[in-house]
Amino acid sequence: AQKVTQAQTEISVVEKEDVTLDCVYETRDTTYYLFWYKQPPSGELVFLIRRNSFDEQNEISGRYSWNFQKSTSSFNFTITASQVVDSAVYFCALRGTGANNLFFGTGTRLTVIP
Amino acid sequence: SQTIHQWPATLVQPVGSPLSLECTVEGTSNPNLYWYRQAAGRGLQLLFYSVGIGQISSEVPQNLSASRPQDRQFILSSKKLLLSDSGFYLCAWRESPLTEAFFGQGTRLTVV
Repeated sequence: AQKVTQAQTEISVVEKEDVTLDCVYETRDTTYYLFWYKQPPSGELVFLIRRNSFDEQNEISGRYSWNFQKSTSSFNFTITASQVVDSAVYFCALRGTGANNLFFGTGTRLTVIP
Repeated sequence: SQTIHQWPATLVQPVGSPLSLECTVEGTSNPNLYWYRQAAGRGLQLLFYSVGIGQISSEVPQNLSASRPQDRQFILSSKKLLLSDSGFYLCAWRESPLTEAFFGQGTRLTVV
């Protein structure tokens, strides 16, 4: 079975603070894909990153960084020097081999306070 | 570049009325198409997906149906809406099951 858990329902930080959003996944597939999406107040889901299960290299993109650890089945997302525009709901998602579905976590609502 | 259009953005419908939400994709051919529903405070639930014209797979039993009359058109319908159909509906596409999905702007449906 595929499952994604985002234990943090809501997080509030003050602008310029760093914040890490947790994502823990479950799958029996040996090959799978992990994703992060951002959902701003407008509602549209914005794709942020995709990682393959065979590539555990961490990735940095500007103020965003992702820490993928297969040993703990985690794919955490860190925003450095947060900004008000980062306020949104962030979703972690998983797709297993042969599956046509993305399994989403319940999301983490991040509020950055100016 | 590819774009996805979804309309209407908001909709208020009485219980028992029909529903038709439309989604179209431009700039690609034979996309995989998806309808998701997001209930308040919850993640996204896959309702339907389609890998080609006329091919619809349903993930959960419900009061809704989907159709794909054209390659880049995906329609979500209901003959009689229920209060529980209220939610945020998102259409998405991707080139293949291996790639990321791109989402439309969503339709907020309120059934009253």
